[in-house]
Amino acid sequence: DVKVTQSSRYLVKRTGEKVFLECVQDMDHENMFWYRQDPGLGLRLIYFSYDVKMKEKGDIPEGYSVSREKKERFSLILESASTNQTSMYLCASSLSPAAYEQYFGPGTRLTVT
Amino acid sequence: DAKTTQPPSMDCAEGRAANLPCNHSTISGNEYVYWYRQIHSQGPQYIIHGLKNNETNEMASLIITEDRKSSTLILPHATLRDTAVYYCIVRPHNNAGNMLTFGGGTRLMVKP
Repeated sequence: DVKVTQSSRYLVKRTGEKVFLECVQDMDHENMFWYRQDPGLGLRLIYFSYDVKMKEKGDIPEGYSVSREKKERFSLILESASTNQTSMYLCASSLSPAAYEQYFGPGTRLTVT
Repeated sequence: DAKTTQPPSMDCAEGRAANLPCNHSTISGNEYVYWYRQIHSQGPQYIIHGLKNNETNEMASLIITEDRKSSTLILPHATLRDTAVYYCIVRPHNNAGNMLTFGGGTRLMVKP
């Protein structure tokens, strides 16, 4: 089975802190994604990567950056956390740009106080 | 991506078939219908997808109308573990970024 793991299930950070969310997949997938999920807004794409060291902005990249130094790992960075970044963050991966399925991790619920 | 409309919630008795409808009247010719679900406190899980033919896999069946303006996801024998929010999405097979956009979905409650 494809496994996508995220470094934390729950995280509490203070305003202004730098936050790292880590995601690892074990199936040699090319594509990796970071989404945030908020009530009433559904799932929104922050960034995605289709190869090592490659990244593309999604719908809401402001306030975030990403890093993909290795194929299996995709990190989301909040340079200076703000309260409006309190959300559920979901990482996903897919085999290729043409793949039908995305495999999701369990999510990280981040609270910024 | 085409917009979809789903009922906000549905109930189903355990062991019975759950039929979840989705309207996608503005779907275009190159867009597929995808279904995902999200069980509470978990990430979304892919269920099934289709273009115009009906599809079946170990989890569910997908029935797409001939005009492709609507579809129905069928869970043939719902169990309590099928309680989740079910999302219907339409998008091109190889759209830029291969991203998913979830709307509100249908909250399915399977009851004993």
